[in-house]
Amino acid sequence: DVKVTQSSRYLVKRTGEKVFLECVQDMDHENMFWYRQDPGLGLRLIYFSYDVKMKEKGDIPEGYSVSREKKERFSLILESASTNQTSMYLCAIGSGSYEQYFGPGTRLTVT
Amino acid sequence: DQQVKQNSPSLSVQEGRISILNCDYTNSMFDYFLWYKKYPAEGPTFLISISSIKDKNEDGRFTVFLNKSAKHLSLHIVPSQPGDSAVYFCAASTDSWGKFQFGAGTQVVVTP
Repeated sequence: DVKVTQSSRYLVKRTGEKVFLECVQDMDHENMFWYRQDPGLGLRLIYFSYDVKMKEKGDIPEGYSVSREKKERFSLILESASTNQTSMYLCAIGSGSYEQYFGPGTRLTVT
Repeated sequence: DQQVKQNSPSLSVQEGRISILNCDYTNSMFDYFLWYKKYPAEGPTFLISISSIKDKNEDGRFTVFLNKSAKHLSLHIVPSQPGDSAVYFCAASTDSWGKFQFGAGTQVVVTP
C-alpha cells in the first residue's frame, strides 16, 4: 500500500510567520508534487521535484519555496504567510506512469 | 486561465442510475487524461485514465470517453452507488510523468 504522509492535518498560523509543510513517502518514487486546492479552482500545482535537490516551478509558485534534501521527503515553505495562502495543501508522488498518489492534505489557516 | 474545465459544480443522481461527468479542455497538446475521486478530509485517489490514442477506456463500473476533436472527455459511472458520492476531478497533461492540469471538480451526490 502506497503511503504519503503529511506532517499536519490542520495548521493555524499568523500573517508573516514562516511555515513548513512536510511530505514523506515510502514508495521510492522520483517525482513529488505540491498542490493547493481551493473551491472553484480545483488543484493547482505549486512546485514539483523529479529528483533529490531538483525542483521546478508549477503554475502558482509565488510566495512559496521547496526543499528536497532526501528522496523520500519534500517540504513546502511559506516564507512569510499571508491570508491568501489559507488553503488545503496536498502532496502527491508519482513514478512516471501518470497516476499520482496523494497524501491526506493539510488544511492551513493564516490569520 | 484554466485549461481544464468542469462546468458542472454538482450532480445529483439516483442510486442505480448512470452518472455522467463532463470535462472540457483547451490545450490541443494534452495527451493524457485522468479522473480522480476525492472524499472529504482525504487526498484524491486515482480512478481511471485514458491516453489520446484511445477514445474509450473501461474499468468495472467506470468508463471514460475521449473526443479529441471536441476537446471533451466524460466519465460514466454505471450503476451509481451511494459510495460514489464524492468530488470528481478530471486532469490533463502533455506528458505521462506527472505535470497535470486539474479541473475545478464536480460534487456527485448519489441518493437512495
